[in-house]
Amino acid sequence: EAEVAQSPRYKITEKSQAVAFWCDPISGHATLYWYRQILGQGPELLVQFQDESVVDDSQLPKDRFSAERLKGVDSTLKIQPAELGDSAMYLCASSLAGDTYEQYFGPGTRLTVT
Amino acid sequence: AQTVTQSQPEMSVQEAETVTLSCTYDTSESDYYLFWYKQPPSRQMILVIRQEAYKQQNATENRFSVNFQKAAKSFSLKISDSQLGDAAMYFCAYRSGLSGTYKYIFGTGTRLKVLA
Repeated sequence: EAEVAQSPRYKITEKSQAVAFWCDPISGHATLYWYRQILGQGPELLVQFQDESVVDDSQLPKDRFSAERLKGVDSTLKIQPAELGDSAMYLCASSLAGDTYEQYFGPGTRLTVT
Repeated sequence: AQTVTQSQPEMSVQEAETVTLSCTYDTSESDYYLFWYKQPPSRQMILVIRQEAYKQQNATENRFSVNFQKAAKSFSLKISDSQLGDAAMYFCAYRSGLSGTYKYIFGTGTRLKVLA
């Protein structure tokens, strides 16, 4: 069964360092989401792509976060510089384009900033 | 702006019993989708059940069913014959039905414990 892949699964970094996360969606899925999930809370959408275009990045802290999906397939989320408050689980999800398709989640990357 | 509220941080149920998880939402839209997602410990989130707002009939998926009250903006999840594998965080989520708007809004989750 096809799955959303994410790497790394765990990342520990010092504050002020740069960190990057990678996501490979299920083949053929045009829509890709990056979420941040703080411990004890629900996922919060950071950025949403439709193919290579950003559809919604209204909650992305653009002074330090960036996201790209250059060829409309895999995607990278970057934080530079990392802050203590960025410690969280970063989830990637994908779905077929269209209103009725469910989103499939990857296993997430747990980031700890020290 | 739409909001999703889950007022039960934690619930417990005895194995084989039935439990209901609550969710309320706020929206001014008439067309939308509601979801329940399950996030087991250290495992990825999976869709449990989905409800289209235009459908009056409550969705069911095997042991999982919802009670969708559109006027009250309530969307509860009922788990029947609870199993140990049902132990997880459960998130209620809302998505607009506007074409091209696929943003999901999640509640804060309910941790379900299943007691043997």
